[in-house]
Amino acid sequence: AQTVTQSQPEMSVQEAETVTLSCTYDTSESDYYLFWYKQPPSRQMILVIRQEAYKQQNATENRFSVNFQKAAKSFSLKISDSQLGDAAMYFCAYRGPNAGNMLTFGGGTRLMVKP
Amino acid sequence: KAGVTQTPRYLIKTRGQQVTLSCSPISGHRSVSWYQQTPGQGLQFLFEYFSETQRNKGNFPGRFSGRQFSNSRSEMNVSTLELGDSALYLCASSAGVRLTEAFFGQGTRLTVV
Repeated sequence: AQTVTQSQPEMSVQEAETVTLSCTYDTSESDYYLFWYKQPPSRQMILVIRQEAYKQQNATENRFSVNFQKAAKSFSLKISDSQLGDAAMYFCAYRGPNAGNMLTFGGGTRLMVKP
Repeated sequence: KAGVTQTPRYLIKTRGQQVTLSCSPISGHRSVSWYQQTPGQGLQFLFEYFSETQRNKGNFPGRFSGRQFSNSRSEMNVSTLELGDSALYLCASSAGVRLTEAFFGQGTRLTVV
């Protein structure tokens, strides 16, 4: 079974600084998808960024970018110019090639942003 | 375009009762997935429905069941509630079979007393 591990239960960053959240996963598949979701206090999960495993280029979305290391099975999220609104729980998620829309989530990292 | 709607938002039930949660996906989306979120176990996949058929199922007891209607709306039922069923239940909808973004609702907070 696939597993997703987020080793940092909690992270803190100063406003306008950069922070990196870690995620590792375990899979025997070669074609899969990885996601970072944000869950603010409103509880609604919001997709931050996604990466297809067959793409070597790291995905970027404005201030959010990933460092995808397929061989190391690592998928970290970098948030640049952190803003107060970035404070939330962040979840890394894996989706296999034949898993429909089933997502396997990591345990989450709580990000705090200090003004 | 309306988002994913889950009802009710909050629910309090007594141990032994049953409960039904509802999820209306984004218009045009045919896939609906359900997740249970607890502080101890995190986010766990319950099941996925696509075009009224259960396509995937997580490792939950048979007390957890679901269905999807022809309009893609989905319901999740939990029978013989246990204290451990207290959780946030999240529903996600997706447009198709392959990689498409999953849009989540705001969840139903179920408390079993």
